[in-house]
This record gives sequence, C-alpha cells and structure tokens, in this order.
Amino acid sequence: AQTVTQSQPEMSVQEAETVTLSCTYDTSESDYYLFWYKQPPSRQMILVIRQEAYKQQNATENRFSVNFQKAAKSFSLKISDSQLGDAAMYFCARGNQGGKLIFGQGTELSVKP
Amino acid sequence: EAGVVQSPRYKIIEKKQPVAFWCNPISGHNTLYWYLQNLGQGPELLIRYENEEAVDDSQLPKDRFSAERLKGVDSTLKIQPAELGDSAVYLCASSRGGRVTEAFFGQGTRLTVV
Repeated sequence: AQTVTQSQPEMSVQEAETVTLSCTYDTSESDYYLFWYKQPPSRQMILVIRQEAYKQQNATENRFSVNFQKAAKSFSLKISDSQLGDAAMYFCARGNQGGKLIFGQGTELSVKP
Repeated sequence: EAGVVQSPRYKIIEKKQPVAFWCNPISGHNTLYWYLQNLGQGPELLIRYENEEAVDDSQLPKDRFSAERLKGVDSTLKIQPAELGDSAVYLCASSRGGRVTEAFFGQGTRLTVV
C-alpha cells in the first residue's frame, strides 16, 4: 500500500526549543516528492518545506529542516527555535510524478510559552 | 498572485438535501484537487483534474458525489443527497502540474449535515 504514517498524534515543545516530527512512507517509485504542510485552526494548509527524492541534500527553510533517509523511507521535520505561531497540525505528504498527493494522519504540535 | 479561493466557508444543511462547493484555482494551475478531511485526520483525495479531465476519481463516491471542471478553470463539487457522515471539511487545491506536485490549498468548506 502507498501509505504515509505519522506515529506521533501530539507533540509539545517549549518556546525557543527544538522539536522533531516523524514521518515514514511507503512507495515503489524511485522519483517522488515529500512535503510538510502546516494547518492552523484557520484550516488553510500551508506548505512548510519540500524535498525531492533524487536529491540527497536535506532541504532547509529558515527554522525548518528535514532529515530525509531514502533507504529507510523516513522524512522527519525539525523545527528550531520554536515560536508560539508554530502551533498547528502538521501533515507529512508524498507526491509522485503523476500528481497524486497522499497525506499522513497529522501531528498536533503545541508550543508552551 | 491570488491563492485558491473556495466558497462557501461554512455550510449547514439537513440530511438528504443537496449541496455544492465552488473552487477557483490559482491562475495557470492545470491540476486541481478536491480533498475530504474528517476531524483529526489527514486529507483524503476525492478527485484530481488535469485541465478538464478527471484523471483520478477512484475515491469519489459516485452514487452521491459529482464534480465538474468546465473550461479547465473553476470547479464545483456536489453532494446529492447529503448524509450525516458527509460532515467534514472539503479542501480544494491546485498545482502547476507536470513533474512537480506541490499543491496550494484553499481555506476549505466546513460542511455540517444535521
């Protein structure tokens, strides 16, 4: 099955600290894309970061970075210097060249002041 | 650049009534998605369009759900008749298509069936 699994339903982090959200996926394709989306209470899904499977270098976007382990089919998100505005649901997603986008179940992140 | 626009944002209807959702994708985006998101879960694909063509509708319950994307731009998703279990958030997204599947989402429509 072509699935995406987020094993942490909830995570909590202290403001200014670092937190890592886990994601594993299953695919038979060699070329695909991985994404982390953030969904605040407003329901708007916002793209946080993107990783192309053929690139070995881990993607980074300011305070957000990923640890992409292709052989292990693992794609974790690290948030550094956590801010109150980072509190939201985070979804890991896998996309293929055909345009199909499959999401995990989500991790609810809370940030404590 | 304007984002993906969906309307309405909220809809409350009685069961067995019809309901329709509208989506205007980002200009120039050939691919349009409709997703269903139940409370506390990740989005699940209902249907994907490449221009006017529905290329993946395997998860669309065709006995009560229908969708169209006339002229390859705006899209409408309809439910007729609605059931209590259809209460959820309906998300529309669009992407440029081709090799990259990075999708941009609208704010969704929260449907409540009573």
